[in-house]
Amino acid sequence: AQSVAQPEDQVNVAEGNPLTVKCTYSVSGNPYLFWYVQYPNRGLQFLLKYITGDNLVKGSYGFEAEFNKSQTSFHLKKPSALVSDSALYFCAVRGLDTGRRALTFGSGTRLQVQP
Amino acid sequence: DVKVTQSSRYLVKRTGEKVFLECVQDMDHENMFWYRQDPGLGLRLIYFSYDVKMKEKGDIPEGYSVSREKKERFSLILESASTNQTSMYLCATQTGERNEQFFGPGTRLTVL
Repeated sequence: AQSVAQPEDQVNVAEGNPLTVKCTYSVSGNPYLFWYVQYPNRGLQFLLKYITGDNLVKGSYGFEAEFNKSQTSFHLKKPSALVSDSALYFCAVRGLDTGRRALTFGSGTRLQVQP
Repeated sequence: DVKVTQSSRYLVKRTGEKVFLECVQDMDHENMFWYRQDPGLGLRLIYFSYDVKMKEKGDIPEGYSVSREKKERFSLILESASTNQTSMYLCATQTGERNEQFFGPGTRLTVL
């Protein structure tokens, strides 16, 4: 079985400050990891993914994420938050060795950036 | 750009009705997925299809069925809608196992 935990329902940060949205995962074997963002009344948009290679992955809108195999984490980060980053963020995983084709998503973290 | 469209943004149905949700993609992706999104539960996989006429159950298939007669179209069917199927339904497509999924705008279904 594969699973994703996003321990924070909501993260509040002031504009201009760095932000972190946490994600830990559980899979058999090596993981494919993804972050998606959902703006109000919209579908999910892809932000970034980790497949293999460098542990620090850069994505859209200045976001990046760090893959940490020993801690089974894939936290989303941005050096300087914008009010327009306020949205719902989902982490997702697919294990390479599970035979499962589909992604498993976390419960989501709402990011609120205050002006 | 990949375009994934869903037949309705908002839908209101009555208990016991048969409901069809349609998803169409324009990028020739072999994999298509149906999820439901509920607050605090994230996205849960209902069904997916990896080829025409091929389907596999996801994590919560009870009360749902699917149809994929053409590669670009994947339909979700609620045989007899119930109030606990009130939710946001999201369709997604994917090509290749390393690649991201592309999502439609979602259908917010209310069953009264």
